[in-house]
Amino acid sequence: DQQVKQNSPSLSVQEGRISILNCDYTNSMFDYFLWYKKYPAEGPTFLISISSIKDKNEDGRFTVFLNKSAKHLSLHIVPSQPGDSAVYFCAACRQGSREKLTFGTGTRLTIIP
Amino acid sequence: NAGVTQTPKFQVLKTGQSMTLQCAQDMNHNSMYWYRQDPGMGLRLIYYSASEGTTDKGEVPNGYNVSRLNKREFSLRLESAAPSQTSVYFCASRRDVLVSWHFGDGTRLSIL
Repeated sequence: DQQVKQNSPSLSVQEGRISILNCDYTNSMFDYFLWYKKYPAEGPTFLISISSIKDKNEDGRFTVFLNKSAKHLSLHIVPSQPGDSAVYFCAACRQGSREKLTFGTGTRLTIIP
Repeated sequence: NAGVTQTPKFQVLKTGQSMTLQCAQDMNHNSMYWYRQDPGMGLRLIYYSASEGTTDKGEVPNGYNVSRLNKREFSLRLESAAPSQTSVYFCASRRDVLVSWHFGDGTRLSIL
């Protein structure tokens, strides 16, 4: 039972354009969401997060949007740069169970120069 | 540099052999975790330790044991390796007040 889903295994975007990565979740108890970026042969690195009390969080070129009614979140990268090429994981957890972070299967983003 | 250090980076085992994966963090974090990453599966939690002296099972604990040796170190042991345990293993740590996990660079383990 995949509680956090990333339905697009891969995405290609032209340099300078917007990259939109999507994530859906099924567990309505999740109240905190994170995005991680992973390069080959390295561990995931934290990118941005959002609490369920918000619907948007922005950090430089990265913005995460949360739609609780649709159980959907998205990561926007504007403008996309070649160094953004990586695998992006969506993750979620819930208050009272902060130890158990549930990951999606990842989306491989390729930025085309 | 501060962070999470995993050893070894690569290992090949034969079925039935035992192996301990080591993890150490120097960020004074209380919580530590072991995940495995398999193609098409994302990262799945094997075991975690919320504080020194405590350990708990995650989503896929069968076939593994862990030891929280001290606040810095959290090891993962395979007593009798099986081909299904071929995976990339990641250790992570977290500060209690921040919901942000810090990951090591992983151990790529192949069981023949």
